[in-house]
Amino acid sequence: ILNVEQSPQSLHVQEGDSTNFTCSFPSSNFYALHWYRWETAKSPEALFVMTLNGDEKKKGRISATLNTKEGYSYLYIKGSQPEDSATYLCAFNQGAQKLVFGQGTRLTINP
Amino acid sequence: DTGVSQNPRHKITKRGQNVTFRCDPISEHNRLYWYRQTLGQGPEFLTYFQNEAQLEKSRLLSDRFSAERPKGSFSTLEIQRTEQGDSAMYLCAPWVGGELFFGEGSRLTVL
Repeated sequence: ILNVEQSPQSLHVQEGDSTNFTCSFPSSNFYALHWYRWETAKSPEALFVMTLNGDEKKKGRISATLNTKEGYSYLYIKGSQPEDSATYLCAFNQGAQKLVFGQGTRLTINP
Repeated sequence: DTGVSQNPRHKITKRGQNVTFRCDPISEHNRLYWYRQTLGQGPEFLTYFQNEAQLEKSRLLSDRFSAERPKGSFSTLEIQRTEQGDSAMYLCAPWVGGELFFGEGSRLTVL
């Protein structure tokens, strides 16, 4: 059974502050690591797909890093804004034709 | 807009009733997935189709669950004799360009 762990489970951040959270996954048989953002009443939105050890991806104020040897990925949000409030999901792809999701980090930005 | 329509968006039913959810991707995709998300958890894999063939079913999918994709385009997920533990968000997602593109989901509440 694949175990994908995200921490923390929830996070409250003041508007303007930067924050980061973690996704841990098995370090063996790695194929890809996905990040999604899921806002309330919307569909999960793909943020990044990361495949290579040492990968860094960036989209606006959001960036992610990947360490496949030790089995973790960090998601960073710089200068948080209220619209960043969402649940952030990571998903591990072992090349088995499906994604295994973590339980998510629920981020709330306080104005 | 991810191009995936799911209906109904919300369904409230009494225990023991049957329910059916439908997923309509706007364009045709070879692979289509069903996931389930319960409170405080990430999406859990249920099943997926390659065209009209159902290639994998999770052990979460008991005999009361059945999924079809008769023409390789839209898909249905039926739950017979619903139980309170079936209350969840049911998500459909075609696999496009190495990623899952989710619909907004169908929320089931079993009373």
